[in-house]
Amino acid sequence: EIVMTQSPATLSVSPGERATLSCRASQSVSSNLAWYQQKPGQAPRLLIYGASTRATGIPARFSGSGSGTEFTLTISSLQSEDFAVYYCQQYYIWPPLTFGGGTKVEIK
Amino acid sequence: EVQLVESGGGLVQPGGSLRLSCAASEFTFSNYEMNWVRQAPGKGLEWVSYISGSGGTKYYADSVKGRFTISRDNAKNSLSLQMNSLRAEDTAVYFCAGLRSSYGSALFDPWGQGTLVTVSS
Repeated sequence: EIVMTQSPATLSVSPGERATLSCRASQSVSSNLAWYQQKPGQAPRLLIYGASTRATGIPARFSGSGSGTEFTLTISSLQSEDFAVYYCQQYYIWPPLTFGGGTKVEIK
Repeated sequence: EVQLVESGGGLVQPGGSLRLSCAASEFTFSNYEMNWVRQAPGKGLEWVSYISGSGGTKYYADSVKGRFTISRDNAKNSLSLQMNSLRAEDTAVYFCAGLRSSYGSALFDPWGQGTLVTVSS
Protein backbone atom coordinates (compact mmCIF):
# COMPACT_ATOMS: atom_id res chain seq x y z
CA GLU A 1 0.00 0.00 0.00
CA ILE A 2 1.27 3.46 -0.91
CA VAL A 3 1.21 5.77 2.12
CA MET A 4 0.61 9.47 1.51
CA THR A 5 1.89 12.01 4.04
CA GLN A 6 0.85 15.66 4.02
CA SER A 7 2.50 18.59 5.74
CA PRO A 8 1.92 20.73 7.59
CA ALA A 9 -1.22 19.49 9.34
CA THR A 10 -2.38 23.09 9.74
CA LEU A 11 -1.30 26.16 7.80
CA SER A 12 -2.20 29.65 9.03
CA VAL A 13 -2.29 32.18 6.21
CA SER A 14 -3.62 35.71 5.81
CA PRO A 15 -6.05 36.47 2.97
CA GLY A 16 -4.16 37.48 -0.15
CA GLU A 17 -1.03 35.57 0.84
CA ARG A 18 0.41 32.50 -0.82
CA ALA A 19 -0.13 29.02 0.61
CA THR A 20 2.13 26.06 -0.12
CA LEU A 21 1.00 22.56 0.83
CA SER A 22 3.13 19.43 0.58
CA CYS A 23 2.34 15.79 -0.10
CA ARG A 24 4.83 12.94 -0.04
CA ALA A 25 4.34 9.37 -1.28
CA SER A 26 6.03 6.35 0.31
CA GLN A 27 7.10 5.25 -3.19
CA SER A 28 6.96 6.81 -6.61
CA VAL A 29 3.48 7.48 -7.98
CA SER A 30 4.80 9.14 -11.14
CA SER A 31 2.31 11.97 -11.83
CA ASN A 32 -0.72 10.00 -10.68
CA LEU A 33 -1.62 12.43 -7.93
CA ALA A 34 -4.82 14.39 -7.28
CA TRP A 35 -5.76 17.15 -4.85
CA TYR A 36 -9.18 17.69 -3.28
CA GLN A 37 -10.65 20.55 -1.29
CA GLN A 38 -13.16 19.94 1.50
CA LYS A 39 -15.12 22.59 3.35
CA PRO A 40 -16.91 21.89 6.65
CA GLY A 41 -20.06 19.83 6.19
CA GLN A 42 -19.42 19.33 2.49
CA ALA A 43 -18.14 16.56 0.28
CA PRO A 44 -14.63 16.88 -1.14
CA ARG A 45 -14.20 18.57 -4.52
CA LEU A 46 -11.62 17.58 -7.13
CA LEU A 47 -9.10 20.40 -7.71
CA ILE A 48 -6.07 18.97 -9.48
CA TYR A 49 -5.23 15.72 -11.23
CA GLY A 50 -2.18 14.42 -13.03
CA ALA A 51 -0.24 16.37 -10.38
CA SER A 52 -0.70 19.67 -12.22
CA THR A 53 -3.92 19.77 -14.31
CA ARG A 54 -6.75 21.84 -12.89
CA ALA A 55 -10.18 20.24 -12.91
CA THR A 56 -13.04 21.98 -14.70
CA GLY A 57 -13.98 25.28 -13.12
CA ILE A 58 -11.02 25.49 -10.75
CA PRO A 59 -9.50 28.99 -10.59
CA ALA A 60 -6.01 29.60 -11.91
CA ARG A 61 -4.75 30.62 -8.45
CA PHE A 62 -4.62 26.87 -7.68
CA SER A 63 -1.58 25.12 -9.11
CA GLY A 64 0.02 21.73 -8.59
CA SER A 65 3.52 20.52 -9.19
CA GLY A 66 5.81 17.59 -8.57
CA SER A 67 6.31 14.01 -9.64
CA GLY A 68 7.62 10.80 -8.17
CA THR A 69 7.29 11.14 -4.41
CA GLU A 70 7.15 14.90 -3.76
CA PHE A 71 4.20 17.10 -4.65
CA THR A 72 3.06 20.65 -3.94
CA LEU A 73 -0.26 22.44 -4.09
CA THR A 74 0.08 26.21 -4.26
CA ILE A 75 -2.68 28.74 -3.78
CA SER A 76 -1.22 31.96 -5.11
CA SER A 77 -3.44 34.49 -3.33
CA LEU A 78 -5.79 33.09 -0.74
CA GLN A 79 -9.42 34.09 -0.99
CA SER A 80 -11.92 33.71 1.83
CA GLU A 81 -13.52 30.73 0.12
CA ASP A 82 -10.18 28.87 0.00
CA PHE A 83 -9.98 28.26 3.74
CA ALA A 84 -10.64 24.54 3.90
CA VAL A 85 -8.94 21.16 4.26
CA TYR A 86 -6.93 19.85 1.34
CA TYR A 87 -6.20 16.19 0.62
CA CYS A 88 -3.85 14.53 -1.83
CA GLN A 89 -4.66 11.11 -3.32
CA GLN A 90 -2.55 8.70 -5.33
CA TYR A 91 -3.90 6.51 -8.11
CA TYR A 92 -0.68 4.97 -9.41
CA ILE A 93 -1.04 1.60 -7.71
CA TRP A 94 -4.45 0.49 -6.46
CA PRO A 95 -6.36 -0.95 -4.77
CA PRO A 96 -6.22 0.62 -2.34
CA LEU A 97 -6.67 4.21 -3.46
CA THR A 98 -5.00 6.20 -0.70
CA PHE A 99 -5.30 9.72 0.65
CA GLY A 100 -2.99 11.86 2.68
CA GLY A 101 -4.08 12.92 6.15
CA GLY A 102 -4.99 16.42 5.00
CA THR A 103 -3.79 19.98 5.51
CA LYS A 104 -6.13 22.50 7.08
CA VAL A 105 -5.66 26.02 5.73
CA GLU A 106 -6.94 28.45 8.33
CA ILE A 107 -7.15 32.22 8.57
CA LYS A 108 -4.18 33.81 10.31
CA GLU B 1 -26.55 18.45 -12.89
CA VAL B 2 -25.05 15.13 -11.78
CA GLN B 3 -26.40 14.12 -8.41
CA LEU B 4 -25.60 11.37 -5.93
CA VAL B 5 -27.76 11.06 -2.82
CA GLU B 6 -26.89 8.67 -0.01
CA SER B 7 -29.33 7.23 2.50
CA GLY B 8 -29.52 4.52 5.13
CA GLY B 9 -27.18 5.87 7.78
CA GLY B 10 -28.04 5.85 11.46
CA LEU B 11 -27.20 4.50 14.89
CA VAL B 12 -26.41 0.80 15.17
CA GLN B 13 -25.00 -1.34 17.96
CA PRO B 14 -21.60 -3.00 17.69
CA GLY B 15 -21.96 -6.28 15.81
CA GLY B 16 -25.03 -5.02 14.00
CA SER B 17 -25.74 -4.46 10.32
CA LEU B 18 -26.72 -1.54 8.13
CA ARG B 19 -27.32 -1.08 4.42
CA LEU B 20 -26.41 2.17 2.73
CA SER B 21 -27.82 3.26 -0.61
CA CYS B 22 -26.78 5.86 -3.15
CA ALA B 23 -29.22 7.10 -5.79
CA ALA B 24 -27.74 8.56 -8.94
CA SER B 25 -29.38 10.96 -11.35
CA GLU B 26 -28.52 13.04 -14.38
CA PHE B 27 -25.72 10.83 -15.63
CA THR B 28 -25.30 7.45 -17.30
CA PHE B 29 -24.83 5.44 -14.12
CA SER B 30 -23.86 2.17 -15.79
CA ASN B 31 -20.86 3.87 -17.39
CA TYR B 32 -19.45 4.90 -14.02
CA GLU B 33 -17.25 2.92 -11.75
CA MET B 34 -18.40 3.67 -8.21
CA ASN B 35 -16.90 3.79 -4.75
CA TRP B 36 -17.63 4.28 -1.10
CA VAL B 37 -15.30 6.60 0.80
CA ARG B 38 -15.66 7.27 4.51
CA GLN B 39 -14.56 9.94 6.95
CA ALA B 40 -14.48 9.35 10.70
CA PRO B 41 -15.45 12.38 12.82
CA GLY B 42 -12.68 14.98 12.63
CA LYS B 43 -10.48 12.66 10.57
CA GLY B 44 -9.34 12.27 6.97
CA LEU B 45 -10.70 10.39 3.99
CA GLU B 46 -10.50 6.61 3.69
CA TRP B 47 -11.41 4.66 0.56
CA VAL B 48 -13.69 1.74 1.47
CA SER B 49 -14.82 -0.10 -1.64
CA TYR B 50 -14.97 -0.04 -5.47
CA ILE B 51 -17.27 -1.60 -8.03
CA SER B 52 -16.93 -1.61 -11.80
CA GLY B 53 -19.65 -0.36 -14.13
CA SER B 54 -20.95 -3.86 -14.81
CA GLY B 55 -20.61 -4.91 -11.17
CA GLY B 56 -18.24 -7.73 -12.08
CA THR B 57 -15.18 -6.35 -10.31
CA LYS B 58 -15.15 -5.35 -6.66
CA TYR B 59 -12.41 -4.24 -4.31
CA TYR B 60 -12.38 -3.60 -0.58
CA ALA B 61 -10.12 -1.94 1.94
CA ASP B 62 -8.50 -4.44 4.29
CA SER B 63 -10.32 -2.77 7.19
CA VAL B 64 -13.72 -3.85 5.85
CA LYS B 65 -12.94 -6.96 3.81
CA GLY B 66 -15.21 -9.86 4.73
CA ARG B 67 -17.67 -7.59 6.53
CA PHE B 68 -18.86 -5.13 3.85
CA THR B 69 -20.36 -5.93 0.44
CA ILE B 70 -20.72 -3.44 -2.39
CA SER B 71 -23.33 -3.90 -5.10
CA ARG B 72 -25.15 -1.94 -7.77
CA ASP B 73 -28.39 -2.04 -9.73
CA ASN B 74 -27.86 -0.24 -13.02
CA ALA B 75 -31.53 -0.52 -13.95
CA LYS B 76 -32.35 1.51 -10.85
CA ASN B 77 -29.29 3.80 -10.96
CA SER B 78 -28.46 2.65 -7.46
CA LEU B 79 -25.35 1.74 -5.47
CA SER B 80 -25.42 -0.11 -2.14
CA LEU B 81 -23.10 -1.00 0.71
CA GLN B 82 -24.13 -3.83 3.03
CA MET B 83 -22.23 -3.45 6.29
CA ASN B 84 -22.17 -6.37 8.73
CA SER B 85 -20.35 -7.01 12.01
CA LEU B 86 -20.05 -3.29 12.56
CA ARG B 87 -17.44 -1.93 14.96
CA ALA B 88 -17.03 1.38 16.73
CA GLU B 89 -14.21 2.25 14.34
CA ASP B 90 -16.66 2.06 11.42
CA THR B 91 -18.32 5.23 12.73
CA ALA B 92 -18.01 7.77 9.93
CA VAL B 93 -19.72 9.75 7.23
CA TYR B 94 -19.96 7.49 4.20
CA PHE B 95 -19.77 9.14 0.78
CA CYS B 96 -20.58 7.50 -2.50
CA ALA B 97 -18.37 8.76 -5.28
CA GLY B 98 -18.00 8.14 -8.98
CA LEU B 99 -14.59 7.27 -10.36
CA ARG B 100 -13.23 9.06 -13.40
CA SER B 101 -10.91 6.49 -14.88
CA SER B 102 -10.00 7.63 -18.37
CA TYR B 103 -6.36 7.57 -19.48
CA GLY B 104 -5.24 5.62 -16.44
CA SER B 105 -6.64 8.01 -13.90
CA ALA B 106 -8.76 7.12 -10.88
CA LEU B 107 -10.33 10.31 -9.61
CA PHE B 108 -13.24 10.62 -7.22
CA ASP B 109 -15.81 12.77 -9.02
CA PRO B 110 -18.71 13.33 -8.47
CA TRP B 111 -19.44 12.92 -4.76
CA GLY B 112 -22.62 12.60 -2.77
CA GLN B 113 -23.17 14.62 0.40
CA GLY B 114 -22.66 11.64 2.68
CA THR B 115 -24.64 9.72 5.28
CA LEU B 116 -23.56 9.33 8.90
CA VAL B 117 -23.13 5.88 10.42
CA THR B 118 -22.68 5.71 14.19
CA VAL B 119 -21.75 2.41 15.81
CA SER B 120 -22.35 2.61 19.53
CA SER B 121 -24.10 0.81 22.33
